[in-house]
Amino acid sequence: NAGVTQTPKFQVLKTGQSMTLQCAQDMNHNSMYWYRQDPGMGLRLIYYSASEGTTDKGEVPNGYNVSRLNKREFSLRLESAAPSQTSVYFCASSRMGTGAGDTQYFGPGTRLTVL
Amino acid sequence: TQLLEQSPQFLSIQEGENLTVYCNSSSVFSSLQWYRQEPGEGPVLLVTVVTGGEVKKLKRLTFQFGDARKDSSLHITAAQPGDTGLYLCAGVRGNNRLAFGKGNQVVVIP
Repeated sequence: NAGVTQTPKFQVLKTGQSMTLQCAQDMNHNSMYWYRQDPGMGLRLIYYSASEGTTDKGEVPNGYNVSRLNKREFSLRLESAAPSQTSVYFCASSRMGTGAGDTQYFGPGTRLTVL
Repeated sequence: TQLLEQSPQFLSIQEGENLTVYCNSSSVFSSLQWYRQEPGEGPVLLVTVVTGGEVKKLKRLTFQFGDARKDSSLHITAAQPGDTGLYLCAGVRGNNRLAFGKGNQVVVIP
């Protein structure tokens, strides 16, 4: 039982390049989330998927797209990377997304640098 | 706009001392969560508080939710080096979305 896994762990991109961050969970959770964490800013929600087949914007969605590929996998795509997207990205999952204060389980993060 | 303000941002204390950190908001939340994050890892949930005035204890950690459900505090008794970490509070919104504060960085010196 690996929990939430993220790939890659580290990535360096040049401005304008694209990439996809992968996330998978093996806990049969319904809801999945993508956050970014920046120094002095805390964790901010980029996109979330309350259930398979649905996705919604969070606080900071500009410059990102997501795909809920199936119940296990939720990917985050940067179409044209910008230096402002340099950050640590965390994927999380929870059993249900009903606003009940369910536990979110976080992956280990992807450290992205955009030059 | 930061919905949740955490203070102090940084706190360094000696092993065995007590400490309290705070999480304040102008918004009311249905529930509030506290997470701890260690360097290079994702946050891990410590506790969820739901009822105004609720107090929950987790070994030497005591969590309190304000009566109006807008603020919370975390008190650590007899801090140990293993308590070192970034403590994050998060207000729970619809669809289980979390609004995080910036965190309280706690360093316990042996």
